[in-house]
Amino acid sequence: GIQVEQSPPDLILQEGANSTLRCNFSDSVNNLQWFHQNPWGQLINLFYIPSGTKQNGRLSATTVATERYSLLYISSSQTTDSGVYFCAVGDNNDMRFGAGTRLTVKP
Amino acid sequence: ETGVTQTPRHLVMGMTNKKSLKCEQHLGHNAMYWYKQSAKKPLELMFVYNFKEQTENNSVPSRFSPECPNSSHLFLHLHTLQPEDSALYLCASSQEGPRYNEQFFGPGTRLTVL
Repeated sequence: GIQVEQSPPDLILQEGANSTLRCNFSDSVNNLQWFHQNPWGQLINLFYIPSGTKQNGRLSATTVATERYSLLYISSSQTTDSGVYFCAVGDNNDMRFGAGTRLTVKP
Repeated sequence: ETGVTQTPRHLVMGMTNKKSLKCEQHLGHNAMYWYKQSAKKPLELMFVYNFKEQTENNSVPSRFSPECPNSSHLFLHLHTLQPEDSALYLCASSQEGPRYNEQFFGPGTRLTVL
């Protein structure tokens, strides 16, 4: 099956800092999503981005499908951005999740 | 709110109990999924239902039994579970299509097996 690697595993930032999270995957995919998991376990959709670039407020994402990686950018981080960020990739029904990046934003 | 609801939110059960988890989606989707999230492990896909038919079963033990009576409802029947089955169980749904397959998740059921 597809292998998904996320880096870094842990990230601690001061409020206001910028960050880049990376997702590498081992095979071509037609589905790639970024999620934020809040402390209560809810997975919140951030981006559906099998290719190209998207922006939503302080967050943006870029997927280079030919090179099999995706990047999630968080600018001007806030304490509410804390949590675990997951990348999920796959082919239609078969979605594989990375281990996540745990982000802590300190005030 | 993502349009996917799950009940109960928390469940504690003994190894000899039988219980069921329920998921309902209000998004008009035609595919539904069960995932398991254990501590320190990535989310694992357990079951996929596409147009009410099961299309994936990733070697899940038979003590987990899914049921999809229609495209809006999904159940996970549990019996004779083990303590290592304690985890967060997440339901998701999507609208299957050749170019778009974004999945939306429910809030999860946190299961503890004693």
